[in-house]
Amino acid sequence: EVQLVESGGGLVQPGGSLRLSCAASGFTFSSYWMHWVRQAPGKGLVWVSRINSDGSSTNNADSVKGRFTISRDNAKNTLYLQMNSLRAEDTAVYYCARKADDAFDIWGQGTMVTVSS
Amino acid sequence: QSVLTQPPSASGTPGQRVTISCSGSSSNIGSNTVNWYQQLPGTAPKLLIYSNNQRPSGVPDRFSGSKSGTSASLAISGLQSEDEADYYCAAWDDSLNGQRVFGTGTKVTVL
Repeated sequence: EVQLVESGGGLVQPGGSLRLSCAASGFTFSSYWMHWVRQAPGKGLVWVSRINSDGSSTNNADSVKGRFTISRDNAKNTLYLQMNSLRAEDTAVYYCARKADDAFDIWGQGTMVTVSS
Repeated sequence: QSVLTQPPSASGTPGQRVTISCSGSSSNIGSNTVNWYQQLPGTAPKLLIYSNNQRPSGVPDRFSGSKSGTSASLAISGLQSEDEADYYCAAWDDSLNGQRVFGTGTKVTVL
């Protein structure tokens, strides 16, 4: 079964750090570009970051530039999102998603990140 | 952060046809393909439509997508109770260094 499973979310204080993981299974992970998308409570979907298939190219949304870093370990079939200098407005469910053709065809179940003192 | 505009809500009775619009610009919908996602309450989004009007396997043919110029639309024909969900359009945006942009979302209610 093709699957993405996120982990690493939790409660963190403003200014703190957190690393999210996304474990892939059921497909050739190293062949796909991967993305992170977040959704604040009661709000819409917002694209966060993307990485190409071999990890040599990344791009982030302006709202997280300089604070978040996307990376991947193709040997471990795992995608990461290192989040530093967290702010209250980063509070959201974070989804990892696989890009196929022009769309995100597979999504994880999401992991909740709460930034609060 | 949403640069694609959707109506906040839409509704219909079972069996009716509901249409959701998605308005963008020349840098996103005008020059790239459009996707549609369905998000049931408390769950992750699910791909409904890719490449403007293509359905992934398993998506009922009650769902159809179209695009014209800088706008797109999703139609749900033969509305069913299980279609009650949030729907989002999405496209790549050339003016934002190829970043992904989502629509504001539309809540569909089955009356």
